Amino acid sequence: DADVTQTPRNRITKTGKRIMLECSQTKGHDRMYWYRQDPGLGLRLIYYSFDVKDINKGEISDGYSVSRQAQAKFSLSLESAIPNQTALYFCATSDLGLADNEQFFGPGTRLTVL
Amino acid sequence: AQSVTQLDSQVPVFEEAPVELRCNYSSSVSVYLFWYVQYPNQGLQLLLKYLSGSTLVKGINGFEAEFNKSQTSFHLRKPSVHISDTAEYFCAVSDPGNAGNMLTFGGGTRLMVKP
Repeated sequence: DADVTQTPRNRITKTGKRIMLECSQTKGHDRMYWYRQDPGLGLRLIYYSFDVKDINKGEISDGYSVSRQAQAKFSLSLESAIPNQTALYFCATSDLGLADNEQFFGPGTRLTVL
Repeated sequence: AQSVTQLDSQVPVFEEAPVELRCNYSSSVSVYLFWYVQYPNQGLQLLLKYLSGSTLVKGINGFEAEFNKSQTSFHLRKPSVHISDTAEYFCAVSDPGNAGNMLTFGGGTRLMVKP
């Protein structure tokens, strides 16, 4: 079974719609992250959370919001989707106890905004 | 803030040939370095990481990387590639001197192995 799961895996939506991407993990990690991947730009951090009561903006948080419902769940919302939010979105986790902050990734959600 | 540069966006190579994927990062007193691989339609998985000690790091699937502090580089190598190595490879760095020790990723290198 996958340690980090993301739903949905693929989503096509229209401009202006509200979208939620969900992430669950069974690794027992405290830290969770949301990234987006665009060709040639690598992964860019949207939001991160170090525990249930901690939410932090990343490099590109505008147009996004997050909710940490439990240690194991971290969801990403697009309040009003726009075409330039078309991308591959990854959730990741890491263990607070590891000094190097190695991260473990979900399979990704491919989002297309028309 | 750290930055990571992967000098080649695409690297075509024939099967059984050697390959090197280049990665340079901005300087810091000390860093942790990672290579991740993304196979088609999958998430990222760790190939190898450098924390300290020996500058030559061996990873999964026959890959290795060499940390060069003076050149701020962490190039990934494999002596003989297979078709199954076709994937996108990401170099990443974390700076333990910064709060949260966040990862910064390079833009990725697409390795295309041809028969």
